[in-house]
Amino acid sequence: DQQVKQNSPSLSVQEGRISILNCDYTNSMFDYFLWYKKYPAEGPTFLISISSIKDKNEDGRFTVFLNKSAKHLSLHIVPSQPGDSAVYFCAAGSVSLAGNMLTFGGGTRLMVKP
Amino acid sequence: NAGVTQTPKFQVLKTGQSMTLQCAQDMNHEYMSWYRQDPGMGLRLIHYSVGAGITDQGEVPNGYNVSRSTTEDFPLRLLSAAPSQTSVYFCASSAVGGPEAFFGQGTRLTVV
Repeated sequence: DQQVKQNSPSLSVQEGRISILNCDYTNSMFDYFLWYKKYPAEGPTFLISISSIKDKNEDGRFTVFLNKSAKHLSLHIVPSQPGDSAVYFCAAGSVSLAGNMLTFGGGTRLMVKP
Repeated sequence: NAGVTQTPKFQVLKTGQSMTLQCAQDMNHEYMSWYRQDPGMGLRLIHYSVGAGITDQGEVPNGYNVSRSTTEDFPLRLLSAAPSQTSVYFCASSAVGGPEAFFGQGTRLTVV
């Protein structure tokens, strides 16, 4: 039973447009959420996070929105650039869990076309 | 700035062989963990450690052993490799209070 789901395995967007990546979760105990970006043959790199007490966090072109009642978060990338083409993972964690353990979604492959 | 270093990057094993995947971090992080990545399944937690001498099981621990004798190192041992363990393995570390985890570049393991 996947506690964190990314229902779109892939997304294609034109350069300059907005990319919206979605993530759903089932466990109400999660109290922080993160987005990671992964290029082929590299490890995931941290992009942006949000605490469950917030509904929005922004960092440059990247904004994460959290809707706790719907158990849904999304990552917006504006404007999208070809270098953003990668696999994006959402992850969730809880301060009550030892070791900052994260539960990951299955990933969404973003392709930004020039 | 080495961060999290994993060795080897690639490995091919025969069924039944054993091996150790190495992981070292130089950020003085208390927390370390091992994940495996399989297509469409994201990253799944194998084992984790909250400090030297303390380890615990994650979501998919069967067939793997870990130990943590120092803050810096967290090796993952495959006791008797099976084709189902073909995967990409990632080691991660994070500071107490996190939540951000830093990942190594991964080890691609094939068991034939």
